[in-house]
Amino acid sequence: EDQVTQSPEALRLQEGESSSLNCSYTVSGLRGLFWYRQDPGKGPEFLFTLYSAGEEKEKERLKATLTKKESFLHITAPKPEDSATYLCAVKQDYGGSQGNLIFGKGTKLSVKP
Amino acid sequence: DTEVTQTPKHLVMGMTNKKSLKCEQHMGHRAMYWYKQKAKKPPELMFVYSYEKLSINESVPSRFSPECPNSSLLNLHLHALQPEDSALYLCASSLTTGDYQPQHFGDGTRLSIL
Repeated sequence: EDQVTQSPEALRLQEGESSSLNCSYTVSGLRGLFWYRQDPGKGPEFLFTLYSAGEEKEKERLKATLTKKESFLHITAPKPEDSATYLCAVKQDYGGSQGNLIFGKGTKLSVKP
Repeated sequence: DTEVTQTPKHLVMGMTNKKSLKCEQHMGHRAMYWYKQKAKKPPELMFVYSYEKLSINESVPSRFSPECPNSSLLNLHLHALQPEDSALYLCASSLTTGDYQPQHFGDGTRLSIL
């Protein structure tokens, strides 16, 4: 059973059409939820760390929120350059040390002009 | 440009060759990681180094051999690889392996096994 599930798998938007990406998780003892952006042929680029339920972070057109079961990445008035795969990852309590990142499968976002 | 630098960017090798991948960071991070990423899949953790000591080996075949010569450098030595080992190999670093520490990735080495 997947511990981190992202939806939708793919999302096509028109430029300016706002939407949200979802990341639901079932891990216990959350020690951070992370959002990354990955462009083709590149490594994941770190966007946000969310620490606890109720927290929000913003960067340009992106806003990440966190509840006890899921996180949303809201994209406001997207531009074509926002097209990428967005990855969600969580870190769980791992016996007090060496907590690994558990990645979701990602949402591929395409923004058309 | 990322602050984690990986070389080479591309590598083609035969199944009998020996090669090495290199990763470097100068952010003062004490945790470094190797990941393998296949097309349209998320990164899969291979190894974790914490304060230059190997702390996690995710049951990786012995044809992959990691090395951490100092706190800024991480190598991955490759020998007798199989075609299924073709993938993007990503290096990452974080301040420590502790809670809430984000990992910062390099742009990877695209490895092709002939």
